Amino acid sequence: NAGVTQTPKFQVLKTGQSMTLQCAQDMNHEYMSWYRQDPGMGLRLIHYSVGAGITDQGEVPNGYNVSRSTTEDFPLRLLSAAPSQTSVYFCASSYRRGLFNEQFFGPGTRLTVL
Amino acid sequence: AQSVTQLGSHVSVSEGALVLLRCNYSSSVPPYLFWYVQYPNQGLQLLLKYTTGATLVKGINGFEAEFKKSETSFHLTKPSAHMSDAAEYFCAVTLNNAGNMLTFGGGTRLMVKP
Repeated sequence: NAGVTQTPKFQVLKTGQSMTLQCAQDMNHEYMSWYRQDPGMGLRLIHYSVGAGITDQGEVPNGYNVSRSTTEDFPLRLLSAAPSQTSVYFCASSYRRGLFNEQFFGPGTRLTVL
Repeated sequence: AQSVTQLGSHVSVSEGALVLLRCNYSSSVPPYLFWYVQYPNQGLQLLLKYTTGATLVKGINGFEAEFKKSETSFHLTKPSAHMSDAAEYFCAVTLNNAGNMLTFGGGTRLMVKP
């Protein structure tokens, strides 16, 4: 199993550019989510999905779009990048049912917006 | 809504000394609590979790945490620090019994001196 994979590992954008962060998992997890990590603020939930075709907003959704067309993939789109979106982005997945499931995290994407 | 506060963004201990990382939570109902560890340039890994039952929880790598409802705390301890414990540690809380929708604290970076 590859677990949770994220691409790219690093990205530099100019203000106003758009891009998509890719996330994939091969564990057949129903639940997938995106977090951003900023110094001193821990991880904050951006968007999540409980299954293919179903997405919802987390704590900090503004400026980001998601879709979930398959169980495996959960891309995060930045429509018009802003310097405030400079951060490290983590994708996570877990089972939806059952109790107290462990979240599995990808290695992260470090994004800089100039 | 729930929240998590981690006291001390940086903690430094000598190798062999006690490790104590503090976590306090705020929740209207008893939450489910987690500790995650992040090694440099990696994603987060689950260290341990408290769900119900025994309030002293043992995790991987010799770490343990005690849930104290009266103090709304879930501090992480390890009797003897090892150089390999140097990492960032995150306390997280959720009211979702599937273990999803985590709210993270700001993180504590543990440094271990030889």
